[in-house]
Amino acid sequence: EDQVTQSPEALRLQEGESSSLNCSYTVSGLRGLFWYRQDPGKGPEFLFTLYSAGEEKEKERLKATLTKKESFLHITAPKPEDSATYLCAVQARGNNNDMRFGAGTRLTVKP
Amino acid sequence: GAVVSQHPSRVICKSGTSVKIECRSLDFQATTMFWYRQFPKKSLMLMATSNEGSKATYEQGVEKDKFLINHASLTLSTLTVTSAHPEDSSFYICSAGDRVKNIQYFGAGTRLSVL
Repeated sequence: EDQVTQSPEALRLQEGESSSLNCSYTVSGLRGLFWYRQDPGKGPEFLFTLYSAGEEKEKERLKATLTKKESFLHITAPKPEDSATYLCAVQARGNNNDMRFGAGTRLTVKP
Repeated sequence: GAVVSQHPSRVICKSGTSVKIECRSLDFQATTMFWYRQFPKKSLMLMATSNEGSKATYEQGVEKDKFLINHASLTLSTLTVTSAHPEDSSFYICSAGDRVKNIQYFGAGTRLSVL
């Protein structure tokens, strides 16, 4: 069965303090790994898709990387507005585009 | 990113009533839409996959007679919570799958409170 484990569950950073969020996964043939940002009471907002080991994607202060077992979301010099829950999801080959989500990492960036 | 509209954003109803939630894909045609349920501080749990013009596929443990899904067009899917009870109170979120980009775009969610 496909599994996605995110760590840490919660992370508190000072503004400007860089860090990384981890997403470990097991899937029967990875089609894609997705990162989303979710603000309280809102739906997830798409950030990145990664398809193969070694691939990297960047957007502003965020960079996502992928290996055969895990993905990292690196946050460089975070700002308070980066505070949110970051969700990782995997999509297996052959499925009807459905994804399996991790429990998320709740990031709080203090000014 | 693409826009997915979900309505209503919040609904409060009495136990035993039915509630319909709409999910619209505004700028692309979605042959597949997904319905999720999210408990406080928990991740999204896939309830069902909605395919345009065919029956929805429900995840194990989700009652299809309780959660009726209709996907009548390429831009609209609806979820009806029938005879709602307090234990159905939750945050329901839909997404529309863009097959070209292989991305799911999410609606803003519906907070259902059953009294």
